[in-house]
Amino acid sequence: EPEVTQTPSHQVTQMGQEVILRCVPISNHLYFYWYRQILGQKVEFLVSFYNNEISEKSEIFDDQFSVERPDGSNFTLKIRSTKLEDSAMYFCASSDRQAGMKETQYFGPGTRLLVL
Amino acid sequence: QQQVKQSPQSLIVQKGGISIINCAYENTAFDYFPWYQQFPGKGPALLIAIRPDVSEKKEGRFTISFNKSAKQFSLHIMDSQPGDSATYFCAASKSSGSARQLTFGSGTQLTVLP
Repeated sequence: EPEVTQTPSHQVTQMGQEVILRCVPISNHLYFYWYRQILGQKVEFLVSFYNNEISEKSEIFDDQFSVERPDGSNFTLKIRSTKLEDSAMYFCASSDRQAGMKETQYFGPGTRLLVL
Repeated sequence: QQQVKQSPQSLIVQKGGISIINCAYENTAFDYFPWYQQFPGKGPALLIAIRPDVSEKKEGRFTISFNKSAKQFSLHIMDSQPGDSATYFCAASKSSGSARQLTFGSGTQLTVLP
C-alpha cells in the first residue's frame, strides 16, 4: 500500500541553525501538508500546498518557515533559524485530488526535531 | 471558533468493553469529521470519517455518531481489544480554497486492559 515517507526520522540541531525536513508524498497525490505535534500535545496545522504554491498557512508558519517541492516527488519544510520552541514531531501528509478523496489526508511517520 | 474540544483525556476500558470518545466543535462551516488513531512513535492513521449529512457511520467495530444540532460527534469502539490501545484524535475540516486543513482535538489516550 502506498505511504508517505519522511526523512530523517530524528534530527538534533543547535538553536539558530537551519534544518530541512523531507517528505515523499504518495505518488498520485497533489495536496501536501505539514503539521507539527509538540510532545504530549495535539497535532497542529502548519501549511498546505497545492499546484506549487501555499494554499493556506497557520499563525505558527511565520517567516522562519518555508516549503518547497523541488522535484516531482519531494516536499520539504525548511526552518531557517531554529528556536527551542520548534522542538516537536513534524508530520507530512498528502491527499488525492479526486472529488470526494481530497479530504482524506495520509500522514507520514514524522520527523522528531530537537533544538538544543 | 476553530477549536475542536475532545474528552476524556484518557480512558481505561476492559477487554470486550465499549470505548466512547467525544468531541465538540463550534464552527458550523466544518463539513468533514475524521478520527485518527496514533500509536507511539507513529503518524496519525485515518480510522473512520463522517460528513454531516448522516448521523452515524459504522466500519467494523468502529462507529461515529454525529449530532449536527448539538455540534458534537463521538467515536464508539465496540468489543475493545488490547491492540486498540493508542491515542485517538478527532478532527474537523472545511472546504476553503483548494486544500483542507485539519483542526485536531487534544487527543484521548485509550488503554484496553487484557
